Amino acid sequence: EPEVTQTPSHQVTQMGQEVILRCVPISNHLYFYWYRQILGQKVEFLVSFYNNEISEKSEIFDDQFSVERPDGSNFTLKIRSTKLEDSAMYFCASRRTELYEQYFGPGTRLTVT
Amino acid sequence: TQLLEQSPQFLSIQEGENLTVYCNSSSVFSSLQWYRQEPGEGPVLLVTVVTGGEVKKLKRLTFQFGDARKDSSLHITAAQPGDTGLYLCAGESGGSNYKLTFGKGTLLTVNP
Repeated sequence: EPEVTQTPSHQVTQMGQEVILRCVPISNHLYFYWYRQILGQKVEFLVSFYNNEISEKSEIFDDQFSVERPDGSNFTLKIRSTKLEDSAMYFCASRRTELYEQYFGPGTRLTVT
Repeated sequence: TQLLEQSPQFLSIQEGENLTVYCNSSSVFSSLQWYRQEPGEGPVLLVTVVTGGEVKKLKRLTFQFGDARKDSSLHITAAQPGDTGLYLCAGESGGSNYKLTFGKGTLLTVNP
């Protein structure tokens, strides 16, 4: 069964450093998302991406964040200058146009020290 | 801002008991999805409900979407230790991006 994959599973970085989180969505899906979950809190929407552009972003998704689909298969989330409060699990999700379900990847645990 | 309130937040029961968890909102959702999440892993989709009043069954799990599409419930019959986990409801706001709004979840523990 096709699944969303994410790398790395765990990323440790120092405050101020840039990180890139990678996702490979399900191959025939057209909508892509990033969510994050701070430890002990609920899953929060960050950004949605369709037709090679951002379709919606949350207040969390400020100028330090960017997304890209560089090669038609990967979907990346970049944080330019990480802060301590960026420590969280980051989940990628994808969906097809005609179905309602979003399928989530296993997540990347980002730890900013 | 759309909010989803899940209750109870924690539930600890004995094997064989029945339980219901609730997901409520003041907002209307175009669909509602239930996920199960294990520690350190991503949410795994259980079911999607779309039509007001819809009932879906997945073995011992029964999901219902409220008539007004503002609330949902998950009922588990004869709970087993393997049902232990975090159950999340997530509402889809529709429109062109279909983002999900999640509740905080119900942490279920089924004791043998």
